[in-house]
Amino acid sequence: ETGVTQTPRHLVMGMTNKKSLKCEQHLGHNAMYWYKQSAKKPLELMFVYNFKEQTENNSVPSRFSPECPNSSHLFLHLHTLQPEDSALYLCASSQDKTSGREFFGPGTRLTVL
Amino acid sequence: AQSVTQLGSHVSVSEGALVLLRCNYSSSVPPYLFWYVQYPNQGLQLLLKYTSAATLVKGINGFEAEFKKSETSFHLTKPSAHMSDAAEYFCAVSERQGGKLIFGQGTELSVKP
Repeated sequence: ETGVTQTPRHLVMGMTNKKSLKCEQHLGHNAMYWYKQSAKKPLELMFVYNFKEQTENNSVPSRFSPECPNSSHLFLHLHTLQPEDSALYLCASSQDKTSGREFFGPGTRLTVL
Repeated sequence: AQSVTQLGSHVSVSEGALVLLRCNYSSSVPPYLFWYVQYPNQGLQLLLKYTSAATLVKGINGFEAEFKKSETSFHLTKPSAHMSDAAEYFCAVSERQGGKLIFGQGTELSVKP
């Protein structure tokens, strides 16, 4: 069983909705990541948190808002999304930002209508 | 800037045949290189990684990859494909331990009976 869980696994939302994606890791790690995986495109790193502090925002639009209340939990708050935001959103964690080994969750398949 | 190119978005082999998935990288510094596998409806799992030790790296499930600096390649191989190997495979590069992962666009492997 993976040490990184994500909920929900599937989400369909309208462009005016507000929803949140949740990620939880049970590995005692201190770094957490959000990636976007779109069809036929490489994975794109969105955000990095290290010891609860955001250390990287890869030019992500403000309609995506991350939150890391503690080292075990990471959220991605969504509002006024566009259809092109439909993708698989993957959460990952690592011991810390320098460990070089990331463990991935199963992802949330997001569809924006 | 670093980049990764995976030659062939889709590879099909027969069960028992050799698997060869190609990855070429570009990096201005000695790279760290990774192969990840993604099974349907799951997150990414690390298959193997190269971190400047032995150039031939053995991973899980019988996969291995060879780092060839002269060819800037890190191709993934498995001597004999199994039906359970059908998945999408991603090559990734990082410029340092714990550095940002840059992913290739992925190669979908199909295994025919």
